[in-house]
Amino acid sequence: QKEVEQNSGPLSVPEGAIASLNCTYSDRGSQSFFWYRQYSGKSPELIMFIYSNGDKEDGRFTAQLNKASQYVSLLIRDSQPSDSATYLCAVSQGGSEKLVFGKGTKLTVNP
Amino acid sequence: EPEVTQTPSHQVTQMGQEVILRCVPISNHLYFYWYRQILGQKVEFLVSFYNNEISEKSEIFDDQFSVERPDGSNFTLKIRSTKLEDSAMYFCASNGLAGGTSTDTQYFGPGTRLTVL
Repeated sequence: QKEVEQNSGPLSVPEGAIASLNCTYSDRGSQSFFWYRQYSGKSPELIMFIYSNGDKEDGRFTAQLNKASQYVSLLIRDSQPSDSATYLCAVSQGGSEKLVFGKGTKLTVNP
Repeated sequence: EPEVTQTPSHQVTQMGQEVILRCVPISNHLYFYWYRQILGQKVEFLVSFYNNEISEKSEIFDDQFSVERPDGSNFTLKIRSTKLEDSAMYFCASNGLAGGTSTDTQYFGPGTRLTVL
């Protein structure tokens, strides 16, 4: 059974702080790693994807991947109240393969 | 920007009735998916579809479920005889070749909330 684990939170940070979200996965064959944001009652919205070990930055977001440790993380710098949502980690074997999701971490950014 | 669309946004049905959920994937995508999310739980894969065939299905996708691409734009999920436990958000997603460059990022539609009474 391929599993993706996330700390369900809730994670609460003050506005302007760095939020750190973590994810581990069990399938060593995983090739593609995604972070989605989901507001309550809405669909997952892609934030970032990462394929290679190391860091990938996009604006206020940085994804980090360590395949040896089977660990993915997402850092959100200068957190804003609008970042308050559930963040979903999703993993696939790449290409047209299915996504396996974690349960998500609920983030609250306090003004 | 191209997007995945889904109809209806909310479907209420009686237990035992058939429902059809509709999706229009992004136009140049070749791979289509259905996922569901029961309230408070994780997003779960149901089925993937390519070239008019099911590529993979989960153990959730039993004989009560079927998918179809009836024309060049629509992708449907049919539940033949709904159960109470089918109540969930159903998301359609698509990915595939975009301008000759392969991309595996899946883009999700807004979802259909299915309520079975």
